[in-house]
Amino acid sequence: QKEVEQDPGPLSVPEGAIVSLNCTYSNSAFQYFMWYRQYSRKGPELLMYTYSSGNKEDGRFTAQVDKSSKYISLFIRDSQPSDSATYLCAMTASSGSARQLTFGSGTQLTVLP
Amino acid sequence: EAQVTQNPRYLITVTGKKLTVTCSQNMNHEYMSWYRQDPGLGLRQIYYSMNVEVTDKGDVPEGYKVSRKEKRNFPLILESPSPNQTSLYFCASSLMGLNTDTQYFGPGTRLTVL
Repeated sequence: QKEVEQDPGPLSVPEGAIVSLNCTYSNSAFQYFMWYRQYSRKGPELLMYTYSSGNKEDGRFTAQVDKSSKYISLFIRDSQPSDSATYLCAMTASSGSARQLTFGSGTQLTVLP
Repeated sequence: EAQVTQNPRYLITVTGKKLTVTCSQNMNHEYMSWYRQDPGLGLRQIYYSMNVEVTDKGDVPEGYKVSRKEKRNFPLILESPSPNQTSLYFCASSLMGLNTDTQYFGPGTRLTVL
């Protein structure tokens, strides 16, 4: 069993839809949770960063962490064609100097105009 | 412009022919890392470096070597490439580790080993 599971999609939605992307994990030591966005033929870029449980909002994006269920989500409101990309969740355990990220396999999202 | 650069961007080679993929960052970052990305497997860490002359294995280090002689450079060396190393490779850097810093990724190197 992988440490981090992510539905690979592909996911296709109309412009303006609310998108929900999810990851589950098995390692209860994970404390830091990230979402990366990767456009085609590009490197990943950090989109959202959350520590421990709770919600974090940044414009149209909301990251949610439920540590009791070992489940994290990224919500995109009013989705745009420019949001079309692969979204990767990533996480790492709490430590003085975390050295490794564990990534999900990525969900490919297409927002249709 | 702050960036991570990789060279080459595309490489086709044959089994056993040693190759080096270069990675350079201009942000004075201490932490650098190499990942490979394969369909269905996501990004897996190969090696990372906390600072000059400090390197350590990630999840999939077999068949790879790295060195960190200068802060800005972190080359990935494949001494004897094999077809199972065909993949998309990313170099990344961050200021001081991962907990609170953005990790910047390079544009990727697509390697094919025949």
